[in-house]
Amino acid sequence: KQEVTQIPAALSVPEGENLVLNCSFTDSAIYNLQWFRQDPGKGLTSLLLIQSSQREQTSGRLNASLDKSSGRSTLYIAASQPGDSATYLCAVRMAGNQFYFGTGTSLTVIP
Amino acid sequence: KAGVTQTPRYLIKTRGQQVTLSCSPISGHRSVSWYQQTPGQGLQFLFEYFSETQRNKGNFPGRFSGRQFSNSRSEMNVSTLELGDSALYLCASSLRESGHYNEQFFGPGTRLTVL
Repeated sequence: KQEVTQIPAALSVPEGENLVLNCSFTDSAIYNLQWFRQDPGKGLTSLLLIQSSQREQTSGRLNASLDKSSGRSTLYIAASQPGDSATYLCAVRMAGNQFYFGTGTSLTVIP
Repeated sequence: KAGVTQTPRYLIKTRGQQVTLSCSPISGHRSVSWYQQTPGQGLQFLFEYFSETQRNKGNFPGRFSGRQFSNSRSEMNVSTLELGDSALYLCASSLRESGHYNEQFFGPGTRLTVL
């Protein structure tokens, strides 16, 4: 069974700092990987989707990379802002459309 | 384009009752998936519906069921509610064209509290 882990569980950084969030998965036979953010009590907002054949995706200040063979993905956030404070979740999709979520990283950006 | 909508946003029920949650996907999206989110277990996949048929199912008891209508709207039903069913229930929609799994877009969720 696929297991998805995110480290660290919580992260606190000063505004303006660049940061990296990590996501690891045990079964490399994924179809794609998606990064989300979740604000308290709210639904999930899609940030980036990386297909299994891709190495990275970029959107604004966000850059996500994927190394399928090692079972790892990273989300890089440049020049962090207080509005980036949220929980970040990665999710892997397996063939058959089973979707497995990571445990999440709670990010706080201090003004 | 309107996003994924879920109704109701909040529900309070008592043990033994049943509940029905509704999800309207983004226009043109034919796949709807349901998830349960709890502090202890995180986000867990319940099931996916596509073209009015359940295509995938997670590891949940038969008390959890769903259906999808011809307009792609989906409902999820939980019967004989237990305290442990208290959770945020999220639905997500995607295009799912020709077996290609596209990006999933989530609704705001329904917060269910079982007393």
